[in-house]
Amino acid sequence: AQSVTQPDIHITVSEGASLELRCNYSYGATPYLFWYVQSPGQGLQLLLKYFSGDTLVQGIKGFEAEFKRSQSSFNLRKPSVHWSDAAEYFCAVGASYGAGSYQLTFGKGTKLSVIP
Amino acid sequence: GAGVSQSPSNKVTEKGKDVELRCDPISGHTALYWYRQSLGQGLEFLIYFQGNSAPDKSGLPSDRFSAERTGGSVSTLTIQRTQQEDSAVYLCASSLTGTSTGELFFGEGSRLTVL
Repeated sequence: AQSVTQPDIHITVSEGASLELRCNYSYGATPYLFWYVQSPGQGLQLLLKYFSGDTLVQGIKGFEAEFKRSQSSFNLRKPSVHWSDAAEYFCAVGASYGAGSYQLTFGKGTKLSVIP
Repeated sequence: GAGVSQSPSNKVTEKGKDVELRCDPISGHTALYWYRQSLGQGLEFLIYFQGNSAPDKSGLPSDRFSAERTGGSVSTLTIQRTQQEDSAVYLCASSLTGTSTGELFFGEGSRLTVL
């Protein structure tokens, strides 16, 4: 079964600083990988996704992520953080099962705080 | 609106009561998911509906939990004889295709508190 680990429960950065959120996955085949963001009281919004091809993926709000198969990682990065980026970030891996079932397995999330 | 709609947004109930949570997916989306989000636990998969196929119920934590999807659209998650450990945010998501390349669109969730 697939799994996702986000080692950092909470990260605090200063506004304007760079950001990297870590994500490691476990999956036997080529993974489909996602990053979602959840602002307080909101649903989850997709930031970016990786299916195949270029291992550096660009997303919304200036975020990018790099797929590294050798490290089973899909870390999320942003060069300069804005106060509005404060939220919880979830990494997820998608997998199909028999009989056409498909689901995303999520990590436990990383809460990002931004210091003005 | 055009997004996934969930109701109620907040529900407070007494232990032992039954609750129903409703999800109205994006029109035309064939796949519908329920997840549970508990504090510090991330998102836990509960159930998946795809078109007219039998649902994948593998994530339901006990037989007190059930869900149905009527007419391939609206879904209801029912929790019978609620327990305090059922307190969580229940998130619904829909996807156009329900395949590995399909993006999941989430509602804002229903926060359940069991006293």
